[in-house]
Amino acid sequence: AAGVIQSPRHLIKEKRETATLKCYPIPRHDTVYWYQQGPGQDPQFLISFYEKMQSDKGSIPDRFSAQQFSDYHSELNMSSLELGDSALYFCASSSLAASSYNEQFFGPGTRLTVL
Amino acid sequence: AQKITQTQPGMFVQEKEAVTLDCTYDTSDPSYGLFWYKQPSSGEMIFLIYQGSYDQQNATEGRYSLNFQKARKSANLVISASQLGDSAMYFCAMREGVVNFGNEKLTFGTGTRLTIIP
Repeated sequence: AAGVIQSPRHLIKEKRETATLKCYPIPRHDTVYWYQQGPGQDPQFLISFYEKMQSDKGSIPDRFSAQQFSDYHSELNMSSLELGDSALYFCASSSLAASSYNEQFFGPGTRLTVL
Repeated sequence: AQKITQTQPGMFVQEKEAVTLDCTYDTSDPSYGLFWYKQPSSGEMIFLIYQGSYDQQNATEGRYSLNFQKARKSANLVISASQLGDSAMYFCAMREGVVNFGNEKLTFGTGTRLTIIP
C-alpha cells in the first residue's frame, strides 16, 4: 500500500539559511499535518491543512510557513534557520472518508540538521 | 498540565512475555480519541491502535490491545507475547474533540522506550 512520502529524508543547512520540506500524502487523503520532533522529545504539532486550506495551527514559528497544493502535496518552508530547528519533521496524512476515526499515517520524516 | 502522561521512560521485558505500557490523559472534552504509535530506531511513526471515548469495548489489533479505563482516564497498551522486533519507543497520543476536517491534531506523551531481552 502507498505510504506518505517525504523528501528529502536528510537535510543539512547552515544557520540563517532556508529549507523546504516536501510531503506527498497517501492518495485520496485530503488532510496533511506537520509535526516537529526534537532530539529525545515527543512530536509537537505545527500546522495542518484540509482540502488545501489551513485548518489548524500549533507552535509553529513565524519563520516557518506551509501550504498545501492542488495535488494535495504540502511544503514546509523554513527561513532564518536556527540551531534549535534541528529536528525530525514528520508529515502525516489522513482521510475521514477512509476511516471513521481518521487516524494519521506518518511519513518517514525529514531529519534536518542546522550547523 | 500535561495532557498525556507516560510514566515509564524505559522498560525491559523478556521475550515472549506480555507487557503493559501506561498512559493517562487529561481532557474535559467528552469526545476524544486515543492512539498508540510505535517509533523504531529508524525513526518512522507506526500507528498501532485506536480507542474512541465512546467506544464500549476495548480495542484490539492482533497482539496489541488497549486497556481503556475511562473513569481513571487511562489507556494502557498491552502487547502480548513480546518479540524482539517490538523493541522501540512507544507514544500515546490524544485527539480532543470530534473528528472535524483537519482539526484533529495529536498531542503526544513523552514516550516509553521498550527493550525486549532475548
